[in-house]
Amino acid sequence: EVQLLETGGALIQPGGSLRLSCAASGFTVNTNYMSWVRQAPGKGLEWVSVLYTGGRTYYADSVKGRFTISRDNSKNTLYLQMNSLRAEDTAVYYCARTMFSSSSLWFDPWGQGTLVTVSS
Amino acid sequence: QSVLTQPPSVSGAPGQRVTISCTGSSSNIGAGYDVHWYQQLPGTAPKLLIYDSTNRPSGVPDRFSGSKSGTSASLAIAGLQAEDEADYYCQSYDSSLSGSLFGGGTKLTVL
Repeated sequence: EVQLLETGGALIQPGGSLRLSCAASGFTVNTNYMSWVRQAPGKGLEWVSVLYTGGRTYYADSVKGRFTISRDNSKNTLYLQMNSLRAEDTAVYYCARTMFSSSSLWFDPWGQGTLVTVSS
Repeated sequence: QSVLTQPPSVSGAPGQRVTISCTGSSSNIGAGYDVHWYQQLPGTAPKLLIYDSTNRPSGVPDRFSGSKSGTSASLAIAGLQAEDEADYYCQSYDSSLSGSLFGGGTKLTVL
């Protein structure tokens, strides 16, 4: 069964750093596109970042220069390094396998999410 | 600014059919990128409902269907059931972002 399990969410002060992990099972992260999507409390979904199989990465403007997506093939795990955290980064962070066709990308499945709270 | 616009809420009685629209622009849906739909039940992670505008993953009931035309897409839910009460999100790729874009979400209430 294809599953994703995020860990690493915490309460962190503004300006701080945090690394989220997403352990995959049932498939390998290095042969799939992988993404992070976040959801602020009571709000909608916001795409954060994607890591393609060849290593290319893309980020939403809201996190560019502060967040870094990466993977560890030996651990079959996706990461999101978050630096210079702001209150507006407070959200549940989901990792998702990213499927693709000739005409788009989509997310399936999703992990259960991990909560990051940025507050003093 | 790249935006996918959904109605904030829709409602229907059990057994009825409802549709949720998703309107984009020339850098996403209008550029030919397909639309995908997700269902998010309260307190849970989103679940893929429709991919590539019209395709249902295995296990998704055929009561759910999708369509796309021009710069818009729609999700239709036929034979509404109480368990369909959830938030629904559309999503597409946006060339100006080099990434994905979600609609603001639509809350479906089953009366």
